[in-house]
Amino acid sequence: DTEVTQTPKHLVMGMTNKKSLKCEQHMGHRAMYWYKQKAKKPPELMFVYSYEKLSINESVPSRFSPECPNSSLLNLHLHALQPEDSALYLCASSLGSGDQPQHFGDGTRLSIL
Amino acid sequence: AQSVTQLGSHVSVSEGALVLLRCNYSSSVPPYLFWYVQYPNQGLQLLLKYTSAATLVKGINGFEAEFKKSETSFHLTKPSAHMSDAAEYFCAVSQAGANSKLTFGKGITLSVRP
Repeated sequence: DTEVTQTPKHLVMGMTNKKSLKCEQHMGHRAMYWYKQKAKKPPELMFVYSYEKLSINESVPSRFSPECPNSSLLNLHLHALQPEDSALYLCASSLGSGDQPQHFGDGTRLSIL
Repeated sequence: AQSVTQLGSHVSVSEGALVLLRCNYSSSVPPYLFWYVQYPNQGLQLLLKYTSAATLVKGINGFEAEFKKSETSFHLTKPSAHMSDAAEYFCAVSQAGANSKLTFGKGITLSVRP
């Protein structure tokens, strides 16, 4: 069982749709992360939230919009995505310092038609 | 600056054989090192971590890794492979400080032959 819960597990959407990915953790972690992972590749960092504030944006296109409503929740709002955005989107959380491991959810498998 | 090198993309071993997955790192400051495993259709699961305490680190599922500063290595081993060990393995490095990023190697696929 993973301690980071992501919903939905699978999502198929058209290029004009708007959808959201959700992530929840109850470990008291203050840092939360979004990653994008293509098949047979390592995760690529997209965003980092620290104490509910956006601290890192890895030059992600504006069609991806993160939101951290509170310390336990992280959302990723999607709009006007492209076929190349099809991937596994992973959420992770940690205590925030570099010596602390990140805990990953099982991801949302996103397919763009 | 930090980086991780995992040479090769695929390792195949027989069940019961030694597993050795190599990881070399580069870091301008003392590193923190992690091994993660990813099973199909799942997220990443932490196997073990090195955070400047003991250089020989034991993890879950019988895996261990040894930090060798002189060789800038953190190789993952398991004495006897099991079929259930078949997965993707990622080595990763981070540094001290808040907002420290986790930098992953490209990963290695481990296959276990019956």
